[in-house]
Amino acid sequence: NAGVMQNPRHLVRRRGQEARLRCSPMKGHSHVYWYRQLPEEGLKFMVYLQKENIIDESGMPKERFSAEFPKEGPSILRIQQVVRGDSAAYFCASSGQAEETQYFGPGTRLLVL
Amino acid sequence: SQQGEEDPQALSIQEGENATMNCSYKTSINNLQWYRQNSGRGLVHLILIRSNEREKHSGRLRVTLDTSKKSSSLLITASRAADTASYFCAIRGLAGGTSYGKLTFGQGTILTVHP
Repeated sequence: NAGVMQNPRHLVRRRGQEARLRCSPMKGHSHVYWYRQLPEEGLKFMVYLQKENIIDESGMPKERFSAEFPKEGPSILRIQQVVRGDSAAYFCASSGQAEETQYFGPGTRLLVL
Repeated sequence: SQQGEEDPQALSIQEGENATMNCSYKTSINNLQWYRQNSGRGLVHLILIRSNEREKHSGRLRVTLDTSKKSSSLLITASRAADTASYFCAIRGLAGGTSYGKLTFGQGTILTVHP
C-alpha cells in the first residue's frame, strides 16, 4: 500500500508564474489536507478537502491560492502569480476518516526566484 | 489560538539518555498526535492519543496526556543518534467544531542525540 505521494518534490518558479502541486492520497483515503511549512517553523494548515468538496479552507490565503480534489485523480494545490514569500515546503496528508491519523507525503519544496 | 506550544525548543543529549518533550495547548481537543521530521523530509506519525486516554506506549516512546492541564509529553527512552530530528505535537479539535478536521501544530522541539 503506497503512502501519500506528492509531486513534484522540488519546484522552482519565477515571480508571477503559476505553481501546481499534486497529491495522491493513500489508497482508500478520501480526506486530504494541505499544510505549509516555512523554514524553522511548524506546519500551518491551509485547506481540508474530501472528494469534490472543500470542507475547510480557513488557512488558505484568499487570493492566488486554490485547491481541488476531483472525483478522479490527485488533489491539486494551485498558486497563481507566485511571489517570493510563497517559497516554502507544502505538505499533503490524507486520512480514512476525519478523526483518524493523518499520513503525510514527502512534501513539495517550492522556491520562487 | 489553539496552537500547541512545545518546550524545550531545542534539546541536546547523549546517546542512551532519555529525552522528554512537552506540548501545551489552549482548547479542548479530540486527540493529540506526535510527529517526527528529519531535516528536509516529510513527517512521520509516531503516536495518537485520544482525549479520554492518559498514557500510550509504542516501543521506546511514551506519551502522556493531561487534559486538565492541557498538556502532553513525549518521552523517548534510551535515545539513539538516529533519533535526531524535530518533534512536533499536533492537536485536533472537537467533533463539530470549526477546527475538527485540521491539525494544529506546535513549533517543534529540535532533538540532537550525540553518539
